[in-house]
Amino acid sequence: DTAVSQTPKYLVTQMGNDKSIKCEQNLGHDTMYWYKQDSKKFLKIMFSYNNKELIINETVPNRFSPKSPDKAHLNLHINSLELGDSAVYFCASSQDPGGDTDTQYFGPGTRLTVL
Amino acid sequence: GESVGLHLPTLSVQEGDNSIINCAYSNSASDYFIWYKQESGKGPQFIIDIRSNMDKRQGQRVTVLLNKTVKHLSLQIAATQPGDSAVYFCAEISGGYNKLIFGAGTRLAVHP
Repeated sequence: DTAVSQTPKYLVTQMGNDKSIKCEQNLGHDTMYWYKQDSKKFLKIMFSYNNKELIINETVPNRFSPKSPDKAHLNLHINSLELGDSAVYFCASSQDPGGDTDTQYFGPGTRLTVL
Repeated sequence: GESVGLHLPTLSVQEGDNSIINCAYSNSASDYFIWYKQESGKGPQFIIDIRSNMDKRQGQRVTVLLNKTVKHLSLQIAATQPGDSAVYFCAEISGGYNKLIFGAGTRLAVHP
């Protein structure tokens, strides 16, 4: 009955590799997000999608590419991984961005370690 | 630029005491604020929110106070319990599209 789920929970990889993190929500929400949390616990939004359409795209290297096959899924693909990409990545979802104040529900996070 | 920050990075309290976690925000145009709780190894969990047309909102054992004059937000937790130990974030909605801007976080440690 998990609302927002992410896989994998831990990801350890070498510099230069390409990796993907998957996110799924079963809340029937229209909007999904990706956040990055650094080693100092600072959380920053990266992207958001509404019904498979990109609506927020923060200043993120183009090595990061979100992909939304349907409104229940938002995957994050990262090319040419760098040491600085090491962080915890959180997926979130919310009901409707139209009112722009909907509660966001977060997944458990994916801890990415780049060696 | 816009930012949301916290005064205290770590707060230690005795079990049963009341806790107050503070937050300062800089975007006076923000009209919606949220407190999230993040336990170790988990994602942020919504606690309570408040709109700028209010100055106080109460939940179960939690109260959020908003002072727009000094752009200050606080979270009060009554009768703090060990299960309240976590990192607490304030966040504001800024720029539309439900874009959350998070503060730096305060770690709450509850001692028996």
